Amino acid sequence: GENVEQHPSTLSVQEGDSAVIKCTYSDSASNYFPWYKQELGKGPQLIIDIRSNVGEKKDQRIAVTLNKTAKHFSLHITETQPEDSAVYFCAASKPNTGNQFYFGTGTSLTVIP
Amino acid sequence: ETGVTQSPTHLIKTRGQQVTLRCSSQSGHNTVSWYQQALGQGPQFIFQYYREEENGRGNFPPRFSGLQFPNYSSELNVNALELDDSALYLCASRISPGTGYNEQFFGPGTRLTVL
Repeated sequence: GENVEQHPSTLSVQEGDSAVIKCTYSDSASNYFPWYKQELGKGPQLIIDIRSNVGEKKDQRIAVTLNKTAKHFSLHITETQPEDSAVYFCAASKPNTGNQFYFGTGTSLTVIP
Repeated sequence: ETGVTQSPTHLIKTRGQQVTLRCSSQSGHNTVSWYQQALGQGPQFIFQYYREEENGRGNFPPRFSGLQFPNYSSELNVNALELDDSALYLCASRISPGTGYNEQFFGPGTRLTVL
């Protein structure tokens, strides 16, 4: 199966600073890597994703990079704001397996005003 | 909001009982997956339904079962509840798995507590 590891488990940054969360995966067949933001009492919300044929994707303050050779991908949030405070999960999926998502263990991000 | 709804929001059961959780998929999505999220952990895949049939299953015992209806709503049934079944149960919908569009959209979840 697939094993997704995520680091760090907690992260505190000052408002306006950048935050980086890193994930590694084990199965080279994985080809889709979404990132989810989960606020207290809510379900995970898709914030950005990347496919294995792309090395980087950016959406305003959020970017994701993928290194297929090293089997790791990262979430970058710039100019952090207090409303970015939440738990972030990375995930990986591969085709022909029912598109099962394998999630990391989450990173609790706190943005200090 | 994703358009995926779940009911009930919270549920308390005792060990050995059975529970049914419900999900209504986002409009246009005909594939639904269920996940179990224990406190402080990432979601764990239970199973996926497409065209009313299970077409993928994670490492969960047979007492976890599901149904998908023609209107793409679905149910998760858990028999013989155990204390470790206490968790947030998430439903996620997506367009057909064969289209190449992998995006899944999650509902708010049902918090199940087993006493």
